[in-house]
Amino acid sequence: GENVEQHPSTLSVQEGDSAVIKCTYSDSASNYFPWYKQELGKGPQLIIDIRSNVGEKKDQRIAVTLNKTAKHFSLHITETQPEDSAVYFCAASIRDMRFGAGTRLTVKP
Amino acid sequence: SAVISQKPSRDICQRGTSLTIQCQVDSQVTMMFWYRQQPGQSLTLIATANQGSEATYESGFVIDKFPISRPNLTFSTLTVSNMSPEDSSIYLCSVGTTGDSNQPQHFGDGTRLSIL
Repeated sequence: GENVEQHPSTLSVQEGDSAVIKCTYSDSASNYFPWYKQELGKGPQLIIDIRSNVGEKKDQRIAVTLNKTAKHFSLHITETQPEDSAVYFCAASIRDMRFGAGTRLTVKP
Repeated sequence: SAVISQKPSRDICQRGTSLTIQCQVDSQVTMMFWYRQQPGQSLTLIATANQGSEATYESGFVIDKFPISRPNLTFSTLTVSNMSPEDSSIYLCSVGTTGDSNQPQHFGDGTRLSIL
């Protein structure tokens, strides 16, 4: 089955800096790649997603890139703010969704 | 997107007992899923709740331990049976609004379950 690896497990940045989280997947048939943000005491919230026929997608300060050949995709957050602090999960999907282990992002004011 | 309500939001239970978690959606959805998130860990799919038929369970999860109901397109329940401390987790309901499994899923806020 699909295996998703996510790095780093923790990330600390200064407010205003950029943050990058990377994921790799094992099954080349995966064709849908969402990113979720989970705040303390809440369920995961979908923040951006990309399909395998697209290489990059951007939504304001958030962007996702996909390299199908290398089987990896990344989340980029620019101009980070303290409210970006949360746990971020990547996922890859063919028949069902497999999640990465998560990255705890801390943005220091 | 759909508004998903889970009940209870948290509970503390005695080992050997069972608890039923409810998931209510404010609109009809095609797909409903149940996940487990152990403390500080990622999400693991337990099963897909199928309307009008038995749930489809993932490897490592069985119906006797996690019976699931889905009587209509807006409601599902997950029961955690004969609980042990290892069942202490967050249980999350998610929904997909199309019949395609490769689609955005939207999550409820989860049920935080502690077993003594």
